[in-house]
Amino acid sequence: DGGITQSPKYLFRKEGQNVTLSCEQNLNHDAMYWYRQDPGQGLRLIYYSQIVNDFQKGDIAEGYSVSREKKESFPLTVTSAQKNPTAFYLCASSIDGRNQPQHFGDGTRLSIL
Amino acid sequence: AQSVTQLGSHVSVSEGALVLLRCNYSSSVPPYLFWYVQYPNQGLQLLLKYTSAATLVKGINGFEAEFKKSETSFHLTKPSAHMSDAAEYFCAVSENTDKLIFGTGTRLQVFP
Repeated sequence: DGGITQSPKYLFRKEGQNVTLSCEQNLNHDAMYWYRQDPGQGLRLIYYSQIVNDFQKGDIAEGYSVSREKKESFPLTVTSAQKNPTAFYLCASSIDGRNQPQHFGDGTRLSIL
Repeated sequence: AQSVTQLGSHVSVSEGALVLLRCNYSSSVPPYLFWYVQYPNQGLQLLLKYTSAATLVKGINGFEAEFKKSETSFHLTKPSAHMSDAAEYFCAVSENTDKLIFGTGTRLQVFP
């Protein structure tokens, strides 16, 4: 079955450490997205990519970085510059982005040790 | 600028009662509207989408939503709630862009 796979399900970060969240899709979708979800705040867009080797900042990109070297993969790195990284992170994809529904993975919950 | 407002962060209903979750949008062009459902510790699942083909949109799990341009609303309804409907629901809008703008969500509780 086609879908989006996020790993790991749970992740713990020490102070000053970078961590990378994995997102892989086999839907052959062009566009991919990373969101951060905090209680009561809905989903906030971190980064998105419409095509391989290109990506754009979302509303809360500071302290995060991404790469899009392959169509099916869009990893997110939470850097030590992100001072409040504890959250639920969701990856999504859509066929070509514009006005299309997005399909979501099951998320990664990041916590600080 | 496009935006979405979901009135009521929590809604409680009895099993078998009508479910009504409210969504109002702001858009300068005809919008594309979506409703998603999220169960605990999972991603979002698409319930239904409005793309201007019909104002009443039927989705999965017995949900439907009606687009009312005059009220800038896209409320989600279900005639009879089931215990399994307990989840968080998100309304989202796209205004001919690559991004979806999400509301802050409404948590639905269903009591027996």
